[in-house]
Amino acid sequence: DVKVTQSSRYLVKRTGEKVFLECVQDMDHENMFWYRQDPGLGLRLIYFSYDVKMKEKGDIPEGYSVSREKKERFSLILESASTNQTSMYLCASSLYSVQSNQPQHFGDGTRLSIL
Amino acid sequence: ILNVEQSPQSLHVQEGDSTNFTCSFPSSNFYALHWYRWETAKSPEALFVMTLNGDEKKKGRISATLNTKEGYSYLYIKGSQPEDSATYLCAFRPRSASKIIFGSGTRLSIRP
Repeated sequence: DVKVTQSSRYLVKRTGEKVFLECVQDMDHENMFWYRQDPGLGLRLIYFSYDVKMKEKGDIPEGYSVSREKKERFSLILESASTNQTSMYLCASSLYSVQSNQPQHFGDGTRLSIL
Repeated sequence: ILNVEQSPQSLHVQEGDSTNFTCSFPSSNFYALHWYRWETAKSPEALFVMTLNGDEKKKGRISATLNTKEGYSYLYIKGSQPEDSATYLCAFRPRSASKIIFGSGTRLSIRP
């Protein structure tokens, strides 16, 4: 069965801290994604990666960076956390397909609070 | 800007009733349409990925239709049960991009 694991379910950090959110998938998927979800808004894409060491900006990349050193792991980094980055963060992965008809598989999410 | 609209935003349905809701997306530049179910305290779960105009998919009591020419998809739930309570998300994949764009979801609550 497909498994996407996020390192923390809940996290509390302080303004200005550097924050790492980790995501690991065990399906050998090429594609990995980071989203944030805020009330009244859909999932918004922060960054995605379609291969090791490859990354592309999503719709809201400002204030974030990512790292994909290994195929199974995709890390989201908040360089200097701010209160407006308090949110639910979701990681997802999918198999590469030329037809692009592969669904995304999600982790349980990390609820991050920045004080 | 590619907008994906879902309506209604929330819905309360009596157990046993059938219901449906809508996802609207740009009709041009279509590549694929995804539906996900997101239950509280769980991760979003893929229901369907649809690519062909006129496509209809079914999973138990849940089904979905797709009209790419007019830019909408319907999700139907027949005989709603309490376990159907969740937020239902649709996501549009345009031909010109390698990402999917989510709507804000329809939150469904089933009254026993």
